[in-house]
This record gives sequence, structure tokens and C-alpha cells, in this order.
Amino acid sequence: QKEVEQNSGPLSVPEGAIASLNCTYSDRGSQSFFWYRQYSGKSPELIMSIYSNGDKEDGRFTAQLNKDSQYVSLLIRDSQPSDSATYLCAVPTLSGNNRKLIWGLGTSLGVNP
Amino acid sequence: ETGVTQTPRHLVMGMTNKKSLKCEQHLGHNAMYWYKQSAKKPLELMFVYSLEERVENNSVPSRFSPECPNSSHLFLHLHTLQPEDSALYLCASSQDAPASYTGELFFGEGSRLTVL
Repeated sequence: QKEVEQNSGPLSVPEGAIASLNCTYSDRGSQSFFWYRQYSGKSPELIMSIYSNGDKEDGRFTAQLNKDSQYVSLLIRDSQPSDSATYLCAVPTLSGNNRKLIWGLGTSLGVNP
Repeated sequence: ETGVTQTPRHLVMGMTNKKSLKCEQHLGHNAMYWYKQSAKKPLELMFVYSLEERVENNSVPSRFSPECPNSSHLFLHLHTLQPEDSALYLCASSQDAPASYTGELFFGEGSRLTVL
């Protein structure tokens, strides 16, 4: 069973701090990785994608990928209360003859003013 | 209207009722999806339609019946549901299918279903 694992949290950080969210995956063949943000009572929205080892920066968000260790992380710099949400890691994996998007349970992040 | 819209946003039904969830995407995408989101569980893919053809059905009970009359509309027909079917049902669309190749999905706001 291909899996994506995340620490469910809740993760609590003070405003202005760096929030670090981690995700591990089991399928060594995975080539692309995605972070979605889901506010309470809302639907998920894609915020970051990463395909190559290393870092990818987009504003206050940095995705880090290490395929050898099979983990992908999301760093949020200068965390704001508006970043309080659940962050979902999603990884396309082979399932039989198909590729499926496998989702983690999500990490709940709270940013305290 | 923009994006992906779902109706109704909230639905309460008895175990013997028949109801339908509706999804419409205004993005010109070619694939549409139904997901189920329950507490303490990862998002569960239920059905995938690509260019109006069902391409995936993840062993979903027959009490859930999807319908995709065209590339912009998707329905989920519900009948004789069980209390454990209570969940948030999310519709999503993607430019290309299967979306797992790109991972970029656009979600509707969801339909919160309660089965009594």
C-alpha cells in the first residue's frame, strides 16, 4: 500500500516564526510532489509543487525535496495568523496500471498573534 | 460564476432518501473528480471522469452513482445511504487527465452531507 505520512499536529508557532511541515512518502518512483492548504470549512487549494531535489521558493513559502530520503517539506517564513490552516501533502504514485494522487492526513498549523 | 461550484453546500438526508449533489466547473477543464473527506482520514478518491468518460471507480458502493453529462457538469446521485457516509464531498477539476500526472486540482467548496 503506497502511503504518504504527515505529522497531524497541531503545530503551533508564534507570529513571525518559521513553520516547518514535513511529509514522507513510500513510492520511490514518485516524481512530483504537492502541497495544498485547506482552511477550516473550506476546500483544499494548491500552494506549491516541486519536482526536483532541492529547494523551491515562492514568496514566504519554500518547498524542499529529498528523493533519497523520500521526504518533502514546506517551510513558511514570517508566519502570519492567516497561515493557520491544515496543510495537505499529495504525491502521485503508481497503483496497478494507474497513477493516483495519494494524500496525507494533513498537518494542522496554528499561528499565534 | 468562476472556478468550481457545488450545490447544495449542506444536505441532511434520511437513509431511505434519494438526493443528488451537483458540480459545475467554469475553467474549461477536461477532467472532473469526486472526493470524500472524512475526519481522521486522507482524502478518498471516488470517481474520475475524463472527457465525460468514467476512467476510475475506486470500489465505491453502488449507493453512490456518478453522472457526467458533459465536461462541465458532474453529479453524484445518492440513495439508501448509511450514517457512515456522512462526510464532506468535494468535486474537483483538472486541465488534463489523469490529474495525477500534474497533481493540480481545483476544488469546489464541497457539499457537507449528514445521513440520519
